Amino acid sequence: EAQVTQNPRYLITVTGKKLTVTCSQNMNHEYMSWYRQDPGLGLRQIYYSMNVEVTDKGDVPEGYKVSRKEKRNFPLILESPSPNQTSLYFCASSLARGEAFFGQGTRLTVV
Amino acid sequence: EDQVTQSPEALRLQEGESSSLNCSYTVSGLRGLFWYRQDPGKGPEFLFTLYSAGEEKEKERLKATLTKKESFLHITAPKPEDSATYLCAIPFGGSYIPTFGRGTSLIVHP
Repeated sequence: EAQVTQNPRYLITVTGKKLTVTCSQNMNHEYMSWYRQDPGLGLRQIYYSMNVEVTDKGDVPEGYKVSRKEKRNFPLILESPSPNQTSLYFCASSLARGEAFFGQGTRLTVV
Repeated sequence: EDQVTQSPEALRLQEGESSSLNCSYTVSGLRGLFWYRQDPGKGPEFLFTLYSAGEEKEKERLKATLTKKESFLHITAPKPEDSATYLCAIPFGGSYIPTFGRGTSLIVHP
């Protein structure tokens, strides 16, 4: 089954404690991206990748890091999380000119 | 400046009451306009891609149309199960990663 898998689904952490949200896709897609979704602000791009070892900033990259060492994986790293990073996060993958497939979401709370 | 704007923000309909959602856009060289449906707490689910003005796509009670400045998502005789947030998205800049509008939250009452 074609899918994008994010882990964990839910996470509560404390300010400053480094965390990683994993994302994996099994469709051999070149493009992968991370979004955050906040009430009233919609889905906003954090980072995206057009291929292995190629990453670019989206609209709200501050406080986040990503890496793309393999085609299937695109982890999101928060080196020092802060409460304003409390949000619902989505990973997506796609072919060029194709529709994006989204993961189930990760609800992160930073206290 | 590239942008995508959706209206209305929220829409309440009675079952069977047809309506349209709007997505207006400004982009240099459209490389596709996408419509997605999102249920609460879940990832967006792909509905349609439109590439050129005049193009139309249909799926069950939904029909998407495209002009040079906007796209419409027409909902014919909606049912309560059509309640969701509908998102419009366009790739900007040099990538094919879509930028999303803020969405229209649709509630269909039985």
